[in-house]
Amino acid sequence: GEDVEQSLFLSVREGDSSVINCTYTDSSSTYLYWYKQEPGAGLQLLTYIFSNMDMKQDQRLTVLLNKKDKHLSLRIADTQTGDSAIYFCAEMNYGQNFVFGPGTRLSVLP
Amino acid sequence: DAGVIQSPRHEVTEMGQEVTLRCKPISGHNSLFWYRQTMMRGLELLIYFNNNVPIDDSGMPEDRFSAKMPNASFSTLKIQPSEPRDSAVYFCASSFRTGMEKLFFGSGTQLSVL
Repeated sequence: GEDVEQSLFLSVREGDSSVINCTYTDSSSTYLYWYKQEPGAGLQLLTYIFSNMDMKQDQRLTVLLNKKDKHLSLRIADTQTGDSAIYFCAEMNYGQNFVFGPGTRLSVLP
Repeated sequence: DAGVIQSPRHEVTEMGQEVTLRCKPISGHNSLFWYRQTMMRGLELLIYFNNNVPIDDSGMPEDRFSAKMPNASFSTLKIQPSEPRDSAVYFCASSFRTGMEKLFFGSGTQLSVL
C-alpha cells in the first residue's frame, strides 16, 4: 500500500533555513501536502503542490517536488521560534484518501 | 466559518465507561473523517463518511468503536466499553470532495481512560 516517510526530528537555529524531507511510494499521487501541528492543536494545512509542478513558493515556504525520486521537501526560510511544531507530509490520489507521514518535529533554538 | 468543531476538548473516564466524541464539520463539506493520534502509531484513519454514508471503516480498531453521521452537520464516535489503550487524541476532519481536496481538522479531543 501507499507509504509516506519522514525523519522524526529536526533542530535548527533561529534565523537559519529549515528543510524537512519526505518520501512517498505512490507514483500516482495527485496532490502532495504539508500540514503543521502546533502543541494542543489540530493539523493545519500549510501548503500543497500538484504533482505536475516542480516547485511552489509561498512567502517563507518553498516546496520542491522530485516526482522521479518521489521526494518532497519543505523549506522554511528565516526560521522563527513560532515555527516550532510537527510537520506532516501527506499525499492524496484523486478519489482516494489522504496518506500521512509520521511527522517531523521541528525545534527552533534561540 | 468556525471551522471543524469538536467536543469535548478533554475527556477523562474510567475503564469500562462509554465515551462519546462529537464533531460538527464545516458547513458545505460532504466528507468527514475520524483520526486517532498516538505517539506510538502516529495519525491513524479510523473511518470516513461521504454524504453521511460510511465508506471505509477498516481503520476502526474493534467492535467497541462505532461512528455515526445522522446528518451533514453532526457526527459521533463512540467507544463502549473504553479501555486504557484507547487513550489518544481523536481528530475529526472534513473536506469537500472535488478534484483538489483540502482536509480541515478540528482541535481534537484528548481522551484519557484510567
